[in-house]
Amino acid sequence: AQKVTQAQTEISVVEKEDVTLDCVYETRDTTYYLFWYKQPPSGELVFLIRRNSFDEQNEISGRYSWNFQKSTSSFNFTITASQVVDSAVYFCALSELNYGGSQGNLIFGKGTKLSVKP
Amino acid sequence: DVKVTQSSRYLVKRTGEKVFLECVQDMDHENMFWYRQDPGLGLRLIYFSYDVKMKEKGDIPEGYSVSREKKERFSLILESASTNQTSMYLCASSLILRDLVTDTQYFGPGTRLTVL
Repeated sequence: AQKVTQAQTEISVVEKEDVTLDCVYETRDTTYYLFWYKQPPSGELVFLIRRNSFDEQNEISGRYSWNFQKSTSSFNFTITASQVVDSAVYFCALSELNYGGSQGNLIFGKGTKLSVKP
Repeated sequence: DVKVTQSSRYLVKRTGEKVFLECVQDMDHENMFWYRQDPGLGLRLIYFSYDVKMKEKGDIPEGYSVSREKKERFSLILESASTNQTSMYLCASSLILRDLVTDTQYFGPGTRLTVL
């Protein structure tokens, strides 16, 4: 069965610390997509990144970086030099290729709440 | 930029009322989705639609219905609201790519519904 696990329910760091959010997924497909979304206190889910299963290159975008490892079924997210504005709930999600007629719906992890203190 | 809007940020209704939550997207996306988000349970899919007048049940459709009369608008209907439907409701939309792969979903700001 498809599943996304974010084992860290809450993380608290002090500003300028680096922090890694873990995401482990399960799928029976060889073709799938992985996503990270950010949900600030305002409530809206903001898309951060999408990765397909054939692209294992790590990605860096400013202070954000993502480490995709198929061998361990993990797609971890690191924030370097964290800032107070990074405080949010972060969701990892999995989308499969038209599995079971579901048209690639997203399966979300339960989220990790990150608090960055000044 | 993709824009998904929801009719209300906060809504308070009484048990038994019929409730309409509206969602509009301006990017000509084929897919539209309704989720509810509850503490400890994450996001759960209620219904989705891949075309006008088409709808598919998600994981928790009981107590809800949907309507998609126009491509840009997807409505979630609570026929008779109950207190256990108090939740945050999030709408999303996406393109359908080749091979029916769903592209990135973009979300609206959410509606926090309280049923008294």
